[in-house]
Amino acid sequence: DIQMTQSPASLSASVGETVTITCRVSENIYSYLTWYQQKQGKSPQLLVYNAKTLAEGVPSRFSGSGSGTQFSLKINSLQPEDFGSYYCQHHYGAPYTFGGGTKLEIK
Amino acid sequence: QVQLQQSGAELARPGASVKLSCKASGYTFTNYWMQWVKQRPGQGLEWIGAIYPGDGDTRYTQKFKGKATLTADKSSSTAYMQVSSLASEDSAVYYCAREERRGFFDYWGQGTTLTVSS
Repeated sequence: DIQMTQSPASLSASVGETVTITCRVSENIYSYLTWYQQKQGKSPQLLVYNAKTLAEGVPSRFSGSGSGTQFSLKINSLQPEDFGSYYCQHHYGAPYTFGGGTKLEIK
Repeated sequence: QVQLQQSGAELARPGASVKLSCKASGYTFTNYWMQWVKQRPGQGLEWIGAIYPGDGDTRYTQKFKGKATLTADKSSSTAYMQVSSLASEDSAVYYCAREERRGFFDYWGQGTTLTVSS
């Protein structure tokens, strides 16, 4: 199975800061990488797919990049509503493994 | 609009089985894979498996083979997941999610909380 290693596991930042979350993959998945956002007590929501395409309604302060085995999610100018957990997942065929998650907290 | 409505919270005894449901609306149920994901309290997301309601084809991750059984009822546009031989480690929130044709999960249900306790 493809392994997804996400870092950092937790991150503390202030409103207005810029943060980057990385996802390292055990084999080449080209651009078949998705990012989800999950707020406390809620279902995950699609954020970025195909490594860099923002889902409908996602603010432009979010951006995804990378290909092959290294990917990142960058959030510019953090807003209060951005705090929560973020997960990467590959969609290069089953089983669709997720990264361990990054919990983004307010400093 | 696409909606996935999951069944309510369940409390079950160790060793028992439980069947969770996910009713889809707003799209053609038989044309999209339905995914199932587990999330233990305070933990990350874990992919369980998927079913294609159009022909009943299923995929499971190795860990959940024999533990989870996925079915779908085309007449009611409802996907089901039966979890058997329940143990404490099965206590979790279970989500269904629609797989968009390009492979990512674009719509999620609200989740069903399963608590296994004697």
